[in-house]
Amino acid sequence: RKEVEQDPGPFNVPEGATVAFNCTYSNSASQSFFWYRQDCRKEPKLLMSVYSSGNEDGRFTAQLNRASQYISLLIRDSKLSDSATYLCVVNPMDSSYKLIFGSGTRLLVRP
Amino acid sequence: DADVTQTPRNRITKTGKRIMLECSQTKGHDRMYWYRQDPGLGLRLIYYSFDVKDINKGEISDGYSVSRQAQAKFSLSLESAIPNQTALYFCATSDHRRGNGELFFGEGSRLTVL
Repeated sequence: RKEVEQDPGPFNVPEGATVAFNCTYSNSASQSFFWYRQDCRKEPKLLMSVYSSGNEDGRFTAQLNRASQYISLLIRDSKLSDSATYLCVVNPMDSSYKLIFGSGTRLLVRP
Repeated sequence: DADVTQTPRNRITKTGKRIMLECSQTKGHDRMYWYRQDPGLGLRLIYYSFDVKDINKGEISDGYSVSRQAQAKFSLSLESAIPNQTALYFCATSDHRRGNGELFFGEGSRLTVL
């Protein structure tokens, strides 16, 4: 079993739709969690951290479910510019050198 | 200008050749990393360095070596390139004082080994 698993997609949604991605992780001792965004042929960039209490940043909401070992990312009112690959990232030891990256979920937002 | 700069951005080489990928940063961060990305796989850590005299193997270090020449420079070498080292390579930096897991990536170096 992979340490971090994501549905590769693509998720193909119309503008204005709400879309959600889940990501499961295998190490129950994992300490911190993140969503990164990667545009086609570009470098990954931090989108948001995922806190135990959840985290909201504008149209984006991230949540953590420790009991079921998954994190989620909800995007409301999708924009064309949201089209990208979203990488789930887990830090099992609370030190940045040990980040485990998922393979990503691809989102396509159509007009 | 990019804060984390990688050179070359694209390189095609032949099996058995020695290749060096270079990374420099102007962010003043102490930690630097080399990752590779393959289709369908997550980013995988090759080597990381917490300071100039500190070098650590990552998940997939075989066939690679690194040099941290200065705090701002971290180079990755493939002593004898092989086709399965064809991948997109990313250099990244982080600041240990922030501790929030944020990595800052370079724009990537696409390497093809024929």
